[in-house]
Amino acid sequence: NAGVTQTPKFRILKIGQSMTLQCAQDMNHNYMYWYRQDPGMGLKLIYYSVGAGITDKGEVPNGYNVSRSTTEDFPLRLELAAPSQTSVYFCASSYSTWGETQYFGPGTRLLVL
Amino acid sequence: AQTVTQSQPEMSVQEAETVTLSCTYDTSESDYYLFWYKQPPSRQMILVIRQEAYKQQNATENRFSVNFQKAAKSFSLKISDSQLGDAAMYFCAYRSPIRGTGNQFYFGTGTSLTVIP
Repeated sequence: NAGVTQTPKFRILKIGQSMTLQCAQDMNHNYMYWYRQDPGMGLKLIYYSVGAGITDKGEVPNGYNVSRSTTEDFPLRLELAAPSQTSVYFCASSYSTWGETQYFGPGTRLLVL
Repeated sequence: AQTVTQSQPEMSVQEAETVTLSCTYDTSESDYYLFWYKQPPSRQMILVIRQEAYKQQNATENRFSVNFQKAAKSFSLKISDSQLGDAAMYFCAYRSPIRGTGNQFYFGTGTSLTVIP
């Protein structure tokens, strides 16, 4: 199993550009999550999904969009990138049963200039 | 929203010694899960240990153990026989039992652990 994979590892965007961060998992997990981690801070939840076709907002959803067309993939879309979106983005997944551990991807470092 | 507080931004420990990282949280729920995650320089988040709130017994995983004080809402991590590979950022996390939140995780701001040879 590859676990949770994320691409790209690093990206520089100009203000106003858009991009999609890719996330995939091969563990057949129903739950998937997107977090951002700002310097010196913990992780903040952006969006999550409890299954294909079902997504919902987390704590900091503004400026982002998600879709979940398959169990495996959960891409995060940034529209009109702003410097405030400079961060490290983590995708995670878990089984549907609550209390189960979240498994994280390696992260994507995004710099908006 | 629940809050998780790690009051020690940085800690250091001599190799082979023991260190304790602190974590407190705020919740009105009686049933929940608590986690410690390790984030080495590679940035990969790695689960260290987890604790079910309904269990009285403290969780242990080899050199890692927790001191869970439910009434005090405290969840500290003890690392025994510290090794150089333990150097990392450590995050405490609370998992909400409320289904509407997607069983959301709440993370503290982290404690950076340095291991001195």
